[in-house]
Amino acid sequence: DAGVIQSPRHEVTEMGQEVTLRCKPISGHDYLFWYRQTMMRGLELLIYFNNNVPIDDSGMPEDRFSAKMPNASFSTLKIQPSEPRDSAVYFCASRYSGTSGTDTQYFGPGTRLTVL
Amino acid sequence: AQSVTQPDIHITVSEGASLELRCNYSYGATPYLFWYVQSPGQGLQLLLKYFSGDTLVQGIKGFEAEFKRSQSSFNLRKPSVHWSDAAEYFCAASSNTGKLIFGQGTTLQVKP
Repeated sequence: DAGVIQSPRHEVTEMGQEVTLRCKPISGHDYLFWYRQTMMRGLELLIYFNNNVPIDDSGMPEDRFSAKMPNASFSTLKIQPSEPRDSAVYFCASRYSGTSGTDTQYFGPGTRLTVL
Repeated sequence: AQSVTQPDIHITVSEGASLELRCNYSYGATPYLFWYVQSPGQGLQLLLKYFSGDTLVQGIKGFEAEFKRSQSSFNLRKPSVHWSDAAEYFCAASSNTGKLIFGQGTTLQVKP
């Protein structure tokens, strides 16, 4: 399996622009997670989906952030409009719940976002 | 509130020396516990995990961790560190929802 795929790997944009980050989870996984990593706040869970349905978006910082999962093999995280404080590394992870619900999250390589 | 604490932000050890990275958790019940490693510019790779049973867990790359319920700890150990182990290490905990809470991370530097 190719693992979790994220694109782009790097994104540089100007303040006020729309940014879309993409994620393809591991085939067969039924959970998908979006995380943000910054020096100040570490790794934070933004939102997660189960069977394409958003379950918990309490970590989404504000209305400028939105996430969708139109099908089992694709998810997007959108920031509109972007601000310099959104600069971070954004990770996508997926997981198969199986029968025990204890299985591992597998992380993608991340998207490094810089907002100027 | 649920939390994971890694008391050491930065640790430096000599190559060949032993290593212990500390992790403490605060949860309503015994959570599932994980250690991940992140090399510069890379994603997170799972080293090992604890769900139940034997409290000493073996992982990849020669790492092990011990769950101690009485101390709410899950410390990571390696008997002999290699230069390639230099990275950032994250302890994490979750309930059966799979929602992970991470510690702040410990950066490991290895001296030759």
